[in-house]
Amino acid sequence: EAQVTQNPRYLITVTGKKLTVTCSQNMNHEYMSWYRQDPGLGLRQIYYSMNVEVTDKGDVPEGYKVSRKEKRNFPLILESPSPNQTSLYFCASSSPRKGKTEAFFGQGTRLTVV
Amino acid sequence: AQTVTQSQPEMSVQEAETVTLSCTYDTSENNYYLFWYKQPPSRQMILVIRQEAYKQQNATENRFSVNFQKAAKSFSLKISDSQLGDTAMYFCAFMKQTTGANNLFFGTGTRLTVIP
Repeated sequence: EAQVTQNPRYLITVTGKKLTVTCSQNMNHEYMSWYRQDPGLGLRQIYYSMNVEVTDKGDVPEGYKVSRKEKRNFPLILESPSPNQTSLYFCASSSPRKGKTEAFFGQGTRLTVV
Repeated sequence: AQTVTQSQPEMSVQEAETVTLSCTYDTSENNYYLFWYKQPPSRQMILVIRQEAYKQQNATENRFSVNFQKAAKSFSLKISDSQLGDTAMYFCAFMKQTTGANNLFFGTGTRLTVIP
């Protein structure tokens, strides 16, 4: 089954404790991206990657890091989480091929930073 | 920069009735796609319908249809014969053809409640 898998689905952590949210896709997609969803703000892009070792900032990259060492994985790293990073996070993957316009989303990760 | 505006934070509709969700966008691009995504309480993002900007014909998917007005930069979603399972958050999204689905711009969402 084609899917994007995020882990964990729920996470409560304390300010300053480094954490990683993993994302993996099995569709051989070149494109992957991270979004955060906040009430009243919709989804906003954090980082995206066009292929292995190619990443770029989205609209709200501050406080986040990413890496793309393998095509299937695109982890989101919070080096020193703060309460304003409490949010719902989504990973998505897609294909750059002409006519392929659908983004496939993971199940979401609810992060709470206290 | 692209912006997507959904001016209705919440809406409700009686079961079996029709409801229209509004979306406007701003862009200088000529080739782009527009989408409506549904997010039920499970949080899963589900693609409901898509529209290519170069197509004049409005997209339809069963009970879901859009009214795409390119000149007005308007993209509304009509849900006919509303069902309880349509209760969800709905997001309008914009995609430039040049960047593909790797860069989506979302509106702030409309929470739809279908009343039995």
